[in-house]
Amino acid sequence: DGGITQSPKYLFRKEGQNVTLSCEQNLNHDAMYWYRQDPGQGLRLIYYSQIVNDFQKGDIAEGYSVSREKKESFPLTVTSAQKNPTAFYLCASSTTHRGLVGYTFGSGTRLTVV
Amino acid sequence: QKEVEQNSGPLSVPEGAIASLNCTYSDRGSQSFFWYRQYSGKSPELIMFIYSNGDKEDGRFTAQLNKASQYVSLLIRDSQPSDSATYLCAVSSGAGSYQLTFGKGTKLSVIP
Repeated sequence: DGGITQSPKYLFRKEGQNVTLSCEQNLNHDAMYWYRQDPGQGLRLIYYSQIVNDFQKGDIAEGYSVSREKKESFPLTVTSAQKNPTAFYLCASSTTHRGLVGYTFGSGTRLTVV
Repeated sequence: QKEVEQNSGPLSVPEGAIASLNCTYSDRGSQSFFWYRQYSGKSPELIMFIYSNGDKEDGRFTAQLNKASQYVSLLIRDSQPSDSATYLCAVSSGAGSYQLTFGKGTKLSVIP
């Protein structure tokens, strides 16, 4: 079955450490996204990519980095420059059909600073 | 900047009642509209989409769209405790755009 796989489900980061969150899709979707969600808050866009080897900053890109070397993969690195990284991170991919956007979400990674 | 506004709630309704969730959007060129349900700690799941003015029904759910007023709503009939979740409204500008703009969500509590 097609879908998006995020790993790990839970991640603990020490102060000053970089960590990488994995996101893989087998839906053949062109576009992929990373969102951050804090308790009681909506989805805030970190980065997105509409094509391999190209990506754009979202609303809260500072302290994060991404790469898109393959269509299927869009890993997110949370760097030590991100001062408040504890949050729920969601990866999504999308495609369009007859003008309608279809989004698929991964199951999320919960990152905690220890 | 494209904006999608929702009342954050919480919205509390008794079991069996109709829950009404509302959303307004700023981009008049928006073409398609989505409602996602998100349980605590889980990822959002799509429950309805609509792109034409009027009503669209799917089981207990009805989405309503009024493009002139830039307003979209979701009605949940015969609300059940299992409907308790946060509901996210999302909007696509279309025109080849792959991206959705999300509202902050409305938390719904259905009281048994």
